[in-house]
Amino acid sequence: GAGVSQTPSNKVTEKGKYVELRCDPISGHTALYWYRQSLGQGPEFLIYFQGTGAADDSGLPNDRFFAVRPEGSVSTLKIQRTERGDSAMYLCASSSTSGRSYNEQFFGPGTRLTVL
Amino acid sequence: SQQGEEDPQALSIQEGENATMNCSYKTSINNLQWYRQNSGRGLVHLILIRSNEREKHSGRLRVTLDTSKKSSSLLITASRAADTASYFCATVGSARQLTFGSGTQLTVLP
Repeated sequence: GAGVSQTPSNKVTEKGKYVELRCDPISGHTALYWYRQSLGQGPEFLIYFQGTGAADDSGLPNDRFFAVRPEGSVSTLKIQRTERGDSAMYLCASSSTSGRSYNEQFFGPGTRLTVL
Repeated sequence: SQQGEEDPQALSIQEGENATMNCSYKTSINNLQWYRQNSGRGLVHLILIRSNEREKHSGRLRVTLDTSKKSSSLLITASRAADTASYFCATVGSARQLTFGSGTQLTVLP
């Protein structure tokens, strides 16, 4: 595809439910990042994948959050037992580690999660 | 946690005027980047300045970097209504993750 895509664009769920957020990176990008952005704030790092492995998950707030990237392309962010405080925009980004766009991260449109 | 602060938090100007946004950061950096975000959308990369550079231009954008003061500024010249957006500076961490400031909301009035 032309850019990073994320589905769904909006997700409304009830407190205590389980949700999955999907990210399709730019084809060929080996690095994939998840960020969370609360209203009026800048995005905050959650987790970084290089290929299939989570190279850095230090930003995950607690063990209710988990992410996978089994084939080194699509990634899924999973949130268990959602809480109202999990409501935010979840952004995915991918980057290539070669060429002139090194370190430039390309962002998807985000998934807005609302926990009622 | 946020890397630093941007000021102003909000800026409103008339079309044609210049807009200046400032960013401060806390740690040593290899580079600093500026991103733009339209309301409720993803971020778009604008420009990257390396730690050994002091100034960089791209079209109507001018970025400066002062590593001794750990600060950067973004200047948008001859602003247009379409420039209305939030602007974030970001630094790159050890795992290449971006650490963003809190952003400046720019409104350009037609």
